[in-house]
Amino acid sequence: AQSVSQHNHHVILSEAASLELGCNYSYGGTVNLFWYVQYPGQHLQLLLKYFSGDPLVKGIKGFEAEFIKSKFSFNLRKPSVQWSDTAEYFCAVNGGGADGLTFGKGTHLIIQP
Amino acid sequence: ETGVTQTPRHLVMGMTNKKSLKCEQHLGHNAMYWYKQSAKKPLELMFVYNFKEQTENNSVPSRFSPECPNSSHLFLHLHTLQPEDSALYLCASSPGGKNTGELFFGEGSRLTVL
Repeated sequence: AQSVSQHNHHVILSEAASLELGCNYSYGGTVNLFWYVQYPGQHLQLLLKYFSGDPLVKGIKGFEAEFIKSKFSFNLRKPSVQWSDTAEYFCAVNGGGADGLTFGKGTHLIIQP
Repeated sequence: ETGVTQTPRHLVMGMTNKKSLKCEQHLGHNAMYWYKQSAKKPLELMFVYNFKEQTENNSVPSRFSPECPNSSHLFLHLHTLQPEDSALYLCASSPGGKNTGELFFGEGSRLTVL
C-alpha cells in the first residue's frame, strides 16, 4: 500500500522567508507525485506534478519541488514566500496504476506580514 | 470555477435521515472520486468510478452508497450516519483510464451529523 508522510503539520514564517515543506512516500515502483494547495475557503488546486523526466519541477506561483528517488522524497520549496501563500499544502502520490491519489495529512502554512 | 460542482455546499442531518450529495463535472473526464476530509487526517479515498464502473471501495461503511449514472455525474447517498461521519466530502474527476493523473476537485460538501 502507498502512504505519504508530511513532516511539518504547522509552519509559521515571515514574508520573504524561504520555504521548504517535506514529503516522503512509501512505494517502491514508479510513482506520480503531486503537491496540492487549499487556500482558506477554496477548493484543492494543483501546484505542481511530477510524472517523469527532470526531477526538478516548477509549478505555479513560484513553487518548485524536487523528486529524489533514493530518498523517496518530493519536497516543496519557494525562495521567498508572500502573505498570500497562507494555505494548507498537501503532498500526494499515485503508483502502480492504482486508482486515485494517496494524500498526506497536510501542512498548515501561515505567513506573517 | 473548477469545472467540478458539488451540491449542497452545507448539509446538516440527523442520524436517521436519508440525504444525498451530488457532484457534476464539465471537464469531459471519465473518472470520478469521492474523498472524505476530516480535521488532522489525510484525505481518505472512499470510492472511484472509472468509465462508470466502480473500481475502488476503500472499506467504506454501507451507510455510504455511491451512484454514478454517467461519466459526468456522481452521487453519494447517505443513510443512518453517525456523528463521526461529519466532515468535508470532496468530489474529484480525472481524465480516466489506466493512470489517474491529476485530480480536479470541487469545493466540497460540508456535512454535519447531529
